Amino acid sequence: IQLTQSPSFLSASVGDRVTITCRASQGIGSHLAWYQQKPGKVPDLLMYSVSTLQTGVPSRFSGSGSGTEFTLTISSLQPEDFATYYCQQSNSYPLTFGPGTRLEIK
Amino acid sequence: QVQLVQSGGGVVQPGGSLRLSCIASGFTFSYFGMHWVRQAPGEGLDWVGFIRYDGSDQHYSDSVKGRFTIARDNSKNTVYLQMNSLRHQDTAMYYCARGPLMLYADYWGQGTLVTVSS
Repeated sequence: IQLTQSPSFLSASVGDRVTITCRASQGIGSHLAWYQQKPGKVPDLLMYSVSTLQTGVPSRFSGSGSGTEFTLTISSLQPEDFATYYCQQSNSYPLTFGPGTRLEIK
Repeated sequence: QVQLVQSGGGVVQPGGSLRLSCIASGFTFSYFGMHWVRQAPGEGLDWVGFIRYDGSDQHYSDSVKGRFTIARDNSKNTVYLQMNSLRHQDTAMYYCARGPLMLYADYWGQGTLVTVSS
């Protein structure tokens, strides 16, 4: 299953609302997770099963979608949110990640 | 707290072999599957493979199938990635990660760098 993400690059300001889209080449039900990775750091799980936030993740992060189209929304960008975001499907093997969306400060 | 401590990376010639280890603590290791994920320099995340909590089943990406093997020793709280027939394109940071039932990766090791170079 191939995952695509759009946009691949996003420039935004603190306080902005941003949305990242992940599309699957075939239906994956609700088996989608999102990760955040900052430069030189280990990836962090943000949410799984489309919209379940991992413990400790701020509520400004939310997820939605089903089937083949999913979104990650950050309601009000904070300085620590500038990072690269990856989606991952766990519906079927081989598991796959999206190519990433790099979110930078405008 | 959950910790995954990796070891075993380094420089290896094309065609060579290397074994990575990942020692877990802070949770009941034998209850969880484990992933290996890699990231080439400047690139995105690339899922390598997964081993079931009891070691009875493994799955691999097409790019490593037949060359890489994932094993675990639940008595040592350790998961391994045996890499054979290494290629230049296997050069990457390799991460182990805990894999709960839904197969996402909720805790990650610190990563270990594998460089395939002559």
